[in-house]
Order: sequence, then C-alpha cells, then structure tokens
Amino acid sequence: QKEVEQNSGPLSVPEGAIASLNCTYSDRVSQSFFWYRQYSGKSPELIMSIYSNGDKEDGRFTAQLNKASQYVSLLIRDSQPSDSATYLCAVISHRGATNKLIFGTGTLLAVQP
Amino acid sequence: EAGVVQSPRYKIIEKKQPVAFWCNPISGHNTLYWYRQNLGQGPELLIRYENEEAVDDSQLPKDRFSAERLKGVDSTLKIQPAELGDSAVYLCASSPSGLAGEGEQFFGPGTRLTVL
Repeated sequence: QKEVEQNSGPLSVPEGAIASLNCTYSDRVSQSFFWYRQYSGKSPELIMSIYSNGDKEDGRFTAQLNKASQYVSLLIRDSQPSDSATYLCAVISHRGATNKLIFGTGTLLAVQP
Repeated sequence: EAGVVQSPRYKIIEKKQPVAFWCNPISGHNTLYWYRQNLGQGPELLIRYENEEAVDDSQLPKDRFSAERLKGVDSTLKIQPAELGDSAVYLCASSPSGLAGEGEQFFGPGTRLTVL
C-alpha cells in the first residue's frame, strides 16, 4: 500500500465549477498535511497546509482533513483555467528514523473555459 | 527575497558519464532537501541536510550518488556513473528549521537530466 494515494486524473471541470481533489494516507500517526500545486514543466509550490480535523479556508481554496478516515481533500471554488495543474498531496510520515514529507503521485486538474 | 537557485536547468549526458547538480537555498533556511521526480510521479526524497549534517540519506543510492553541503549553505548532488534510469528531474528544496518547516518547503526550478 502506498503511503499517500491520489487519483491521477485527469479531473476535468468547467470554469466556475468546484473542483474536488482527494487523497488518502496510510500512516495513522501523521499530523501534518499539505497540498502543492505543480504547473507543467515547473516545480511544486505549497498552496495549503492543514494540521487539525475540519476545514481550513484560504481564498478559493479549502482543505479538509478527517484523521479518523485518513482522508485529506482540497476544494477549489470558482475554478479558473489558471488552476489547471497537477495537485500533489503530501504527508509528514513518521515511519523510519526521521520524519519525511511523502508525496502522492498527483491529480491532474483541467479547467475547461 | 530570492528563491531556491539550481543549476544547470537541463543536462544531457551519455550513460556512464558523471554529472553534478548545484543548489543554493533560500537565505536563512537551514534545512535542504534533494528530491528526484520521475514523469507522472511525486517527488521522492534522496537526502535531507540540517546545516552541514545529512540527517536522512536512506533513499540515496550510495553506490553511484553522493552529496555534500560543506558550509551549510549551498549543496552539490553528484551521480557517477549515470545510468539510463537516472533520467528524471532533480529538485532541490529548502525550509526553515523546526517542525513547522518540515512540510512547508520551497522548491527550486529543478534540473532535468536526460541520460542517453
């Protein structure tokens, strides 16, 4: 079982719609969760972090965390074509001698004008 | 504030040749990471430095990969000899020290390596 799992997509949504991106993780003791955005040919950029159960909102982005279900999601409201990118879910894993950030394979989001 | 700087941006070499990548982190960031990202995959950690010390190199293929961060600032990652399977994007990232910095990492533009 992969430590962080995401649907690779592509997820296609029309402009103005809500895009919902999902992620599950296997390390039950993980406490820190992140969403990175990666445009094609570019490097990952942190857009959201979440540490507590519930929702965290930042502009058009909302991260949701459910530790009991080991589930993290990212909602993008009023999706724009400029949101088209790969969204990487990342989790701090406590397996091994030191903590490390483990990335999922990413979900490709395509926002259609 | 300047971001993470990496060079070269692209490198094409033949298999069995050596190659080196350089990274300069954001000023004041004590933690430096080297990742490898294959097409369609997320970044995978190769090595993590806290200042000059390599605190996690468990996923660095030590038979051919080496890294150094001699003065606790910039870092070099080397592959010798390169194999076809080493073709990937090599990303450097940095973060402030401490638990809050662990997941909040800033990435450089990466070096795209092609091994022929």
